[in-house]
Amino acid sequence: EAGVAQSPRYKIIEKRQSVAFWCNPISGHATLYWYQQILGQGPKLLIQFQNNGVVDDSQLPKDRFSAERLKGVDSTLKIQPAKLEDSAVYLCASSLIGAGYGASYMNTEAFFGQGTRLTVV
Amino acid sequence: KQEVTQIPAALSVPEGENLVLNCSFTDSAIYNLQWFRQDPGKGLTSLLLIQSSQREQTSGRLNASLDKSSGRSTLYIAASQPGDSATYLCASCSGTYKYIFGTGTRLKVLA
Repeated sequence: EAGVAQSPRYKIIEKRQSVAFWCNPISGHATLYWYQQILGQGPKLLIQFQNNGVVDDSQLPKDRFSAERLKGVDSTLKIQPAKLEDSAVYLCASSLIGAGYGASYMNTEAFFGQGTRLTVV
Repeated sequence: KQEVTQIPAALSVPEGENLVLNCSFTDSAIYNLQWFRQDPGKGLTSLLLIQSSQREQTSGRLNASLDKSSGRSTLYIAASQPGDSATYLCASCSGTYKYIFGTGTRLKVLA
């Protein structure tokens, strides 16, 4: 079974430029998460989708960050314009929740991609 | 609002030692608690998932326990090896099935 795919793996941009990250979740997974992990900290949830609807985006800086999940499969996260403090690893994760199996505990297991390391200079 | 804390923040031990990593959470209404490993520059690898109805899970040299009433989980690593050196993260799944992470424990096992 293929895991969660993310691209690119690394990105270096200048402040005020724009950048986009792509995520392909595990096939059949209805829930998709984007996390931001700043060096030395735990991941922080930015946005959670179930199918193509937003469940939680309360910590997404909406003045500069946007995300979409077209057709309930792939997702893109965009930053425009980037700031120095956006330097972090952006992690995508997926789980079965909402895929018609019911909310059993095992279906909530989250699987993470390798992440995209963003450096803003 | 769920908050997750991990203690200690960093740990350095000689090879062969048994060790315990601690995770505490403020809201006991969780669906599960998941332990992850993160190597430098890498993503998260799931180690163990404990359902809220369970008390512990085991995989090889790893054993994770869960006490919902006290808001605590521990990850026990037996006979530690240099290859175990990594950051260990715990995350609770609650509410709208979102995962809230602790800040992690950086483990270094010395040969």
